Amino acid sequence: NAGVMQNPRHLVRRRGQEARLRCSPMKGHSHVYWYRQLPEEGLKFMVYLQKENIIDESGMPKERFSAEFPKEGPSILRIQQVVRGDSAAYFCASSPARTSYNSPLHFGNGTRLTVT
Amino acid sequence: DQQVKQNSPSLSVQEGRISILNCDYTNSMFDYFLWYKKYPAEGPTFLISISSIKDKNEDGRFTVFLNKSAKHLSLHIVPSQPGDSAVYFCALLETGANNLFFGTGTRLTVIP
Repeated sequence: NAGVMQNPRHLVRRRGQEARLRCSPMKGHSHVYWYRQLPEEGLKFMVYLQKENIIDESGMPKERFSAEFPKEGPSILRIQQVVRGDSAAYFCASSPARTSYNSPLHFGNGTRLTVT
Repeated sequence: DQQVKQNSPSLSVQEGRISILNCDYTNSMFDYFLWYKKYPAEGPTFLISISSIKDKNEDGRFTVFLNKSAKHLSLHIVPSQPGDSAVYFCALLETGANNLFFGTGTRLTVIP
């Protein structure tokens, strides 16, 4: 897991507040993925980004969720007006190319979001 | 719609014995099959993978078997060690797709 940095590790928000989750990919990796893990479930794909571009956001909820990966700085996953159902572990992963058999994802340690 | 299933939520094995973790899938379009290992409070770590043109891939104590006709994947760990205790996820990928489909995980406990 060394190399993909996520912060904060834990985030507590009240219902209605905004949550901002940050991810710095491994050095040399320009492909970033966000996954969400609900309790007792596997990881579910949310969004795939390259620098300044959203490539695939088919796993993102249609409302309140957005992601960016600017030219400079970390990738940000933003959740507006959080609800209790948003409580989950959010994992960021990076790779030097689009994920494939030969280019497995490297995951960060995740941000655990708790909505009270 | 659960395309990838790991039907055993947990497994306990004696140290030195073989651990067998299983994964079943429904989508015949998956081409690449990966196993990830996850310790508490950490992200998943890539372990081993196999492509659909093979039926076996071995890396040290870890071997992955693929039975495409049965849509079944398994991970064998032998001999099992206490440090192998973790949650194991299978993850499947279609050619050209952007996302891995993860199973729900199996928690392996290796008893010393």
